[in-house]
Amino acid sequence: GAVVSQHPSWVICKSGTSVKIECRSLDFQATTMFWYRQFPKQSLMLMATSNEGSKATYEQGVEKDKFLINHASLTLSTLTVTSAHPEDSSFYICSASGLAGGPRADTQYFGPGTRLTVL
Amino acid sequence: TQLLEQSPQFLSIQEGENLTVYCNSSSVFSSLQWYRQEPGEGPVLLVTVVTGGEVKKLKRLTFQFGDARKDSSLHITAAQPGDTGLYLCAATQGGSEKLVFGKGTKLTVNP
Repeated sequence: GAVVSQHPSWVICKSGTSVKIECRSLDFQATTMFWYRQFPKQSLMLMATSNEGSKATYEQGVEKDKFLINHASLTLSTLTVTSAHPEDSSFYICSASGLAGGPRADTQYFGPGTRLTVL
Repeated sequence: TQLLEQSPQFLSIQEGENLTVYCNSSSVFSSLQWYRQEPGEGPVLLVTVVTGGEVKKLKRLTFQFGDARKDSSLHITAAQPGDTGLYLCAATQGGSEKLVFGKGTKLTVNP
């Protein structure tokens, strides 16, 4: 149990285009989803926290207009990288934690990641 | 300033050897997790520790949470090539759900 999927697993796009990444909790409902990025040989850096039905909370230094997050339901959150540039190339990983008081609460379950390459 | 200091950063050992990875901080944590990540994949949760002094075992892996809940260790007995990967510690503070990650320990177990 506690499976989180991401789509696509990898994407290559041209500079200036927008890319949408989906994060789904497949077998549980997630109150909160988190978006991270990871550069080669580095650890995960939290970008933003999203709660279903409300605006995402962004970490310091993360541009909210560039990284649009929508948490439309208890099983789906999307990250859209707008007007992507080569420096946005990275490994983007989402995680989800279950409903408060439930068996999946207080633990983040990670997706498999999405490799974004901007040419 | 790195909230969670992991050491060593890199570790290359022979199959059958034992090893310990450390995760230290000056802060007190509500909970601490250990993850293992393979290249091109997301982190996979190994264990969560919440009680000071807690020890958890997962086959050949032993996890310990410090009495003061500021540090943790991961000990692997008789390492195998399949243990190769990036080991990450991550922690939460207070009532926050946010995870703060250490920089990770890249373990290579040579056959």
